[in-house]
Amino acid sequence: DPKIIQKPKYLVAVTGSEKILICEQYLGHNAMYWYRQSAKKPLEFMFSYSYQKLMDNQTASSRFQPQSSKKNHLDLQITALKPDDSATYFCASSQDWGSYEQYFGPGTRLTVL
Amino acid sequence: QQQVRQSPQSLTVWEGETAILNCSYENSAFDYFPWYQQFPGEGPALLIAIRSVSDKKEDGGFTIFFNKREKNLSLHIKDSQPGDSATYFCAASGGGRALIFGTGTTVSVSP
Repeated sequence: DPKIIQKPKYLVAVTGSEKILICEQYLGHNAMYWYRQSAKKPLEFMFSYSYQKLMDNQTASSRFQPQSSKKNHLDLQITALKPDDSATYFCASSQDWGSYEQYFGPGTRLTVL
Repeated sequence: QQQVRQSPQSLTVWEGETAILNCSYENSAFDYFPWYQQFPGEGPALLIAIRSVSDKKEDGGFTIFFNKREKNLSLHIKDSQPGDSATYFCAASGGGRALIFGTGTTVSVSP
């Protein structure tokens, strides 16, 4: 059974719209992360959460907003979508914030037209 | 400024050979260096990792050699098999926080 679930697998959006990327982990971990992988840049850290609290934010734009309704959920809301937001977004988790091993989900591939 | 660099960008080896992937970093505060394996359409999978207090880590056919003084490390894939064909990412972090990734090395193993 997959331990980190990301939904949807593929997402197509129009410029200016808003989307929410879903992530749930069943590893019993207390820390969760979002990373982005695009054709132009290597895997890039975005956010980290620990016990539903924001710990690190490396995303310059406020259009990206993580949302954590439960300890094992960390969704990513993206507003006012731009073509440059097209990328694969990966959710990851670790036992605790500061734990070294991070495990990644299968990703959501977002295309903005 | 790229904090973690990988080379080569791509690599082809014959089945049974040893593939050698290189990685270097700039930040002396990095103390944890994982390697991730990624197949097309999948997420990165943690393959093997080393802490900066060690100079070698082995796991199955994968070995990391780490040189703290030179700020570089390498991943050796021994007895490469076609199933090892994937993109390999070197990453680094300090204090177990955000992972900083390199640009990846795509390995092709020819039978």
